[in-house]
Amino acid sequence: AQKVTQAQTEISVVEKEDVTLDCVYETRDTTYYLFWYKQPPSGELVFLIRRNSFDEQNEISGRYSWNFQKSTSSFNFTITASQVVDSAVYFCALSGYNQGGKLIFGQGTELSVKP
Amino acid sequence: DGGITQSPKYLFRKEGQNVTLSCEQNLNHDAMYWYRQDPGQGLRLIYYSQIVNDFQKGDIAEGYSVSREKKESFPLTVTSAQKNPTAFYLCASSYTGVWTEAFFGQGTRLTVV
Repeated sequence: AQKVTQAQTEISVVEKEDVTLDCVYETRDTTYYLFWYKQPPSGELVFLIRRNSFDEQNEISGRYSWNFQKSTSSFNFTITASQVVDSAVYFCALSGYNQGGKLIFGQGTELSVKP
Repeated sequence: DGGITQSPKYLFRKEGQNVTLSCEQNLNHDAMYWYRQDPGQGLRLIYYSQIVNDFQKGDIAEGYSVSREKKESFPLTVTSAQKNPTAFYLCASSYTGVWTEAFFGQGTRLTVV
């Protein structure tokens, strides 16, 4: 069975703080893909990053960075120097190799960045 | 501009009624998906389609139906058999293949009155 767990339901930080959103996954597939999406109050999910199971390199994009560790089945997301505009719900998702593109989502983490 | 359009944004349904949610994409994607979002539960897959005239059930298909007569369109009907339809519904599309990201519409919020 495939499963994604985001244990942090809500996180509240003050602007300019760094914040890490945790994501732990379970899968029996050896080939799989992990994703992070952002859901602002408007409701639309915005794609942030895709990572395949063979690429454990960390990635940095501006203030965003991702840490993928197969040994702990984790794909954590860090926002450096958070801003009010980062306030949103963030979802981690998993897609297995033979799953036809279907996404298994975590429960989401609601991030609130206060000025 | 390319993208996914869902309509309506808000929809109210009376008990016993069927309602249809629209999803149109102009991204030339082969695959389309419907997800349901409930508070605190993330998104769950209702139906998906990888090609015209073909679709498969997701994890929570009971009480829903879909059609895929055109590549661009993937409407979802919420039938009276769906006992708890109040939720936020999101449509997505992608190129076929697990390695591609899905693009999402802005969603339809359905409320039973």
